[in-house]
Amino acid sequence: GAGVSQTPSNKVTEKGKYVELRCDPISGHTALYWYRQSLGQGPEFLIYFQGTGAADDSGLPNDRFFAVRPEGSVSTLKIQRTERGDSAVYLCASSLKGGIGASEAFFGQGTRLTVV
Amino acid sequence: AQKITQTQPGMFVQEKEAVTLDCTYDTSDPSYGLFWYKQPSSGEMIFLIYQGSYDQQNATEGRYSLNFQKARKSANLVISASQLGDSAMYFCAMRERNTGGFKTIFGAGTRLFVKA
Repeated sequence: GAGVSQTPSNKVTEKGKYVELRCDPISGHTALYWYRQSLGQGPEFLIYFQGTGAADDSGLPNDRFFAVRPEGSVSTLKIQRTERGDSAVYLCASSLKGGIGASEAFFGQGTRLTVV
Repeated sequence: AQKITQTQPGMFVQEKEAVTLDCTYDTSDPSYGLFWYKQPSSGEMIFLIYQGSYDQQNATEGRYSLNFQKARKSANLVISASQLGDSAMYFCAMRERNTGGFKTIFGAGTRLFVKA
């Protein structure tokens, strides 16, 4: 498809387990963002990639969270030793370029993570 | 401190009338971008409109316009001729330069209900 694709759409995992969430951005988009959205709140910034490098990872809540984008396209968000508080919808977005300008970010449908 | 403030958790509007959704922001950087997104109950984030900090004129996109008052640091969204399909969450967001790159921060959102 032409849009941002996130897999899986839903993930239920047990507390303490490791999970990987995948984002496949729009082809040619150099900027990729990960957000976390809890119920009734706005998306919370986690990390921003420009190409292969993490340009800003200041939103990652702790060292259990890590993200990679090894070839500058697909990105994987990795969460170790999951906790119930990690339950949320994880959104990925991509844009043609980074920067301040009007390069709108296109969002995927999100992965709903539930830690039980 | 809150970077993006949306003071209206919920708003009601009669179909075919106009409605204004409030957004104020806080930044010391002269270069930034302001965005509005719509999130229907299905969960996807839909880009509506963009305003650059150096843009002299208010942005417009169809029934959406952004009332940009730079000195007051406000970027209110005006929806004209409301339709039932406009019922959704609306998020104001700001993209600004951050260490290493650019970060987009979202407000808590306003839920709009359009009445028939």
